[in-house]
Amino acid sequence: DGGITQSPKYLFRKEGQNVTLSCEQNLNHDAMYWYRQDPGQGLRLIYYSQIVNDFQKGDIAEGYSVSREKKESFPLTVTSAQKNPTAFYLCASSQPGQGTYEQYFGPGTRLTVT
Amino acid sequence: DQQVKQNSPSLSVQEGRISILNCDYTNSMFDYFLWYKKYPAEGPTFLISISSIKDKNEDGRFTVFLNKSAKHLSLHIVPSQPGDSAVYFCAAKGRVTGANSKLTFGKGITLSVRP
Repeated sequence: DGGITQSPKYLFRKEGQNVTLSCEQNLNHDAMYWYRQDPGQGLRLIYYSQIVNDFQKGDIAEGYSVSREKKESFPLTVTSAQKNPTAFYLCASSQPGQGTYEQYFGPGTRLTVT
Repeated sequence: DQQVKQNSPSLSVQEGRISILNCDYTNSMFDYFLWYKKYPAEGPTFLISISSIKDKNEDGRFTVFLNKSAKHLSLHIVPSQPGDSAVYFCAAKGRVTGANSKLTFGKGITLSVRP
């Protein structure tokens, strides 16, 4: 059963701590993405990766870091430098070059930092 | 600067009637558009898409219309069902070379279908 998994569903951290959100896909997609959703803000792109060992900053990359050591995995670290880390985080993947550009999303992780 | 705009934050329609969700864009380099549906605390799911070389695409109860001269697209749902109640996001892809398929999303419209 192909898809994207994100864990955990809910995550709580104290202010000043780094936290890593997991994203795994078994769709054999080359491209992966991280978004955050805030109320009334839609989906904003944090980082994306078009191929293993390569990634680019999105629109709101400050305070975040990523790695792409394996095709199926694209973890996101929310660092203590991120001023407003509490949000709903969504991971997605796609297979560029097929002409449809559809991105498939995981179920999301709700991060709460207090 | 918001390049994809969904100016109406919410829409309420009666079950069985038509729902029309609007989206405007400012970037003339966008060449592919998608609509996603999202329930609370879940990831968005793809609904329907349209290339800029077309003006209409239909899939069952869902039809997307594209007016390039007005930089406007709309999603029509007919007939509307209570299960359609969700947030709907409009998204657009820029015309770029290579494999870059980055999408720009609007802020979403909350659709409520009344039984």
